[in-house]
Amino acid sequence: GENVEQHPSTLSVQEGDSAVIKCTYSDSASNYFPWYKQELGKRPQLIIDIRSNVGEKKDQRIAVTLNKTAKHFSLHITETQPEDSAVYFCAASGRGSTLGRLYFGRGTQLTVWP
Amino acid sequence: NAGVTQTPKFRVLKTGQSMTLLCAQDMNHEYMYWYRQDPGMGLRLIHYSVGEGTTAKGEVPDGYNVSRLKKQNFLLGLESAAPSQTSVYFCASSFMKTGGGTEAFFGQGTRLTVV
Repeated sequence: GENVEQHPSTLSVQEGDSAVIKCTYSDSASNYFPWYKQELGKRPQLIIDIRSNVGEKKDQRIAVTLNKTAKHFSLHITETQPEDSAVYFCAASGRGSTLGRLYFGRGTQLTVWP
Repeated sequence: NAGVTQTPKFRVLKTGQSMTLLCAQDMNHEYMYWYRQDPGMGLRLIHYSVGEGTTAKGEVPDGYNVSRLKKQNFLLGLESAAPSQTSVYFCASSFMKTGGGTEAFFGQGTRLTVV
């Protein structure tokens, strides 16, 4: 099956700096890559996603890039703010026998210091 | 529109006791999942369902059973609870997006402690 690896596991940045979280996947059949944000004590929620036919997608201060050849994708947060502090999960969704499954990375604890 | 609702929110069990966690979704989603979340381990899939009447094992199915008798409900059972099952449990449901890929919606979580 699919294997999603996520790095780093923890990330601390100063308010206003940028943060980058990287993920790799193993199954070339995966074609959809969402990112979830989980604030302390809350449920994970989708913040941005990208499909395999797109190389980059941006939504205000967050962007995601995808390199299909290398099988890696990244989340970029610019001008970070304290409210960006949370755990971020990347995920990959496949086709065929694994249709309907979401494979998650282990998460990155992002802390933004004021 | 309530989304995904889990019952209960908190529970303390004694070792060997049994319990059932209920997940209900009102979005008519085909797919439903049960995850457990432990510190540093991310979201690990226990069981999932791709439609009413179907279930399948995920990464960590041992000690758990599930049933999906109705499309909107997905039940997670612990027959004989063990301290290793102390965790936060999340239910999720999803649909297949146009063009492929599934977007998951999570419940609020159930914090289970087994003593």
